[in-house]
Order: sequence, then C-alpha cells, then structure tokens
Amino acid sequence: DGGITQSPKYLFRKEGQNVTLSCEQNLNHDAMYWYRQDPGQGLRLIYYSQIVNDFQKGDIAEGYSVSREKKESFPLTVTSAQKNPTAFYLCASSGLGTGTEAFFGQGTRLTVV
Amino acid sequence: GEDVEQSLFLSVREGDSSVINCTYTDSSSTYLYWYKQEPGAGLQLLTYIFSNMDMKQDQRLTVLLNKKDKHLSLRIADTQTGDSAIYFCADAAGGTSYGKLTFGQGTILTVHP
Repeated sequence: DGGITQSPKYLFRKEGQNVTLSCEQNLNHDAMYWYRQDPGQGLRLIYYSQIVNDFQKGDIAEGYSVSREKKESFPLTVTSAQKNPTAFYLCASSGLGTGTEAFFGQGTRLTVV
Repeated sequence: GEDVEQSLFLSVREGDSSVINCTYTDSSSTYLYWYKQEPGAGLQLLTYIFSNMDMKQDQRLTVLLNKKDKHLSLRIADTQTGDSAIYFCADAAGGTSYGKLTFGQGTILTVHP
C-alpha cells in the first residue's frame, strides 16, 4: 500500500544525545515535511524539502537537522542543542501541484529521559 | 507572520451537530484545510476549500468560508462517538497549495452518548 512510514513509534533519548527519526514515503511525492506537535500548540513546521539534496528551515529549525539524499526518505535528527525535544513528531509528504493533499505519517513520540 | 486560531474544546451530544470555528490572518490564502487526529495517530485530511468558494459539502461535513472576515467553520451533522478527536484548521502558507501549512491549535471534540 502507498503511504508514509515513520519509525520508531516511540523513542527514548538521554539528555545530550542525538537521535534520528526515520520517514519514508512510496507515494512518489516531491515534497516532504517535518512538524512538531506539542499539546495545545498545534503543529509547527521544522524543515521541509521540495527536491532531493535541497531543504529549507521552517519556523522552529533550531536544534534540528535533516537530509534528503533520496526522494523517498527525509530523516530528522534531533540534536543535543534542542532544548526541549520531548514532543510528537509528524512527517508529511505532498506533490507540488495545485490543490495537492499533504499525507501524514503516524508519528514518532520522542521522550527525553 | 501568519496565524490560525481555534477554540480548544467542544462538547456535544451524540446525534447533534458540531460546529468548529477557525480564524486566520493570511490574506493570500488559497486553500484552507480541515484535518482530524485520533489519539496517538497522524493527521487525516477531512476536507479542504478553495478561497473562491463560500461553501463545500461532503456527506456529513459542511465547510463555510467567510473570506472578508477570514473565518472558516466545519459543521459535522449527526455527530457520532467515533467523531471524538482533535480537529485542526490549516492554511496553505503564502498562498501555496501543498504541505507547507500553518495550523491552528486544534479543537478537541468530545461526543457524549
């Protein structure tokens, strides 16, 4: 089935460690996105990419890094510089045409212990 | 920057209609979306409306757009307990039409039997 797969579903990290969240899509979408969700704050855009080997910062990029080496994959690294990393992280993908729908993965819940 | 605002909570009785309201500030908005999120899951697109439309109906869902007041609403007819979820209003940022979205805080809909 076509869709977006995020892994793992739950992730625990010790303070001071980097951790990488995986996002893979088989929808042949050009664009991919990472959002962070905190209770009562909706979703905020971290990074997005419209083409392989290119990506742009969103509203809250500090403490995060991404890569887009393949069209299907857009991993997100939460670095030790992110001061408050505990959150629910959602990956999405879309085409670039008019009226294109964004499809979301099932999310990764990251907890810093 | 752009802003999207929603009320945080709505409680209705099963069989009644639910109306979830949203206001936005981006005057260049072309597409406005409603997403549904069930506990611990990703986002599911319910419907969207193009900015040159006043209303869109899709089975139990009715979307109303007042572009002058920058007000969007989602009406769910004959609300069921399975409709209990968080509902997000989202604006395609900068007039684009794909996944770079500005989200409201989400409205938690609780449906009582």
